[in-house]
Amino acid sequence: SQTIHQWPATLVQPVGSPLSLECTVEGTSNPNLYWYRQAAGRGLQLLFYSVGIGQISSEVPQNLSASRPQDRQFILSSKKLLLSDSGFYLCAWSTGQGPLNEQFFGPGTRLTVL
Amino acid sequence: AQKVTQAQTEISVVEKEDVTLDCVYETRDTTYYLFWYKQPPSGELVFLIRRNSFDEQNEISGRYSWNFQKSTSSFNFTITASQVVDSAVYFCALSGANTDKLIFGTGTRLQVFP
Repeated sequence: SQTIHQWPATLVQPVGSPLSLECTVEGTSNPNLYWYRQAAGRGLQLLFYSVGIGQISSEVPQNLSASRPQDRQFILSSKKLLLSDSGFYLCAWSTGQGPLNEQFFGPGTRLTVL
Repeated sequence: AQKVTQAQTEISVVEKEDVTLDCVYETRDTTYYLFWYKQPPSGELVFLIRRNSFDEQNEISGRYSWNFQKSTSSFNFTITASQVVDSAVYFCALSGANTDKLIFGTGTRLQVFP
């Protein structure tokens, strides 16, 4: 069966520090991968998605970036965190493009920027 | 533009009460998909249902039921005989026919008290 992992589970970082969140999927190959952010009092916002190694699409301009160095690994990064980067970050995967392919979500990383 | 509105920020009920979570959407697409996800305290999103715009039949799954009405652009979710385990944040989401992007509402926090 397929599983999706995210780490760390929680993170407290000072403003201006770098960030690296990791997401890995097991039990499937060539998944579509997604990064969402859930800010307090808001819904989930799609940040990035990837259909293959090295292929990243950005949905919103921001100081975050994403990379996919391996088929089942998706990394969310920042060189300098802002207070507004605080939130709950969720990684998700699906088997292919389009809404008929259900997205499966990871356990999330709660990031607090102080 | 696509938009999902969940006007109810928080709902509290006592066990065994029925509760309806409202979802209103906006889209210009003729083909689209609607979703409900559950986010328990652990944070991970759990897929509940997907409905396409051509299928207006209501659906029932155990204590859960969904009422899709295109005339009012609504996709409401009812839990019958609520239980404490139903306590969670529930998200409604919308997607176009040929896109990965899910547009989420801001969520409704449901608290079921014993």
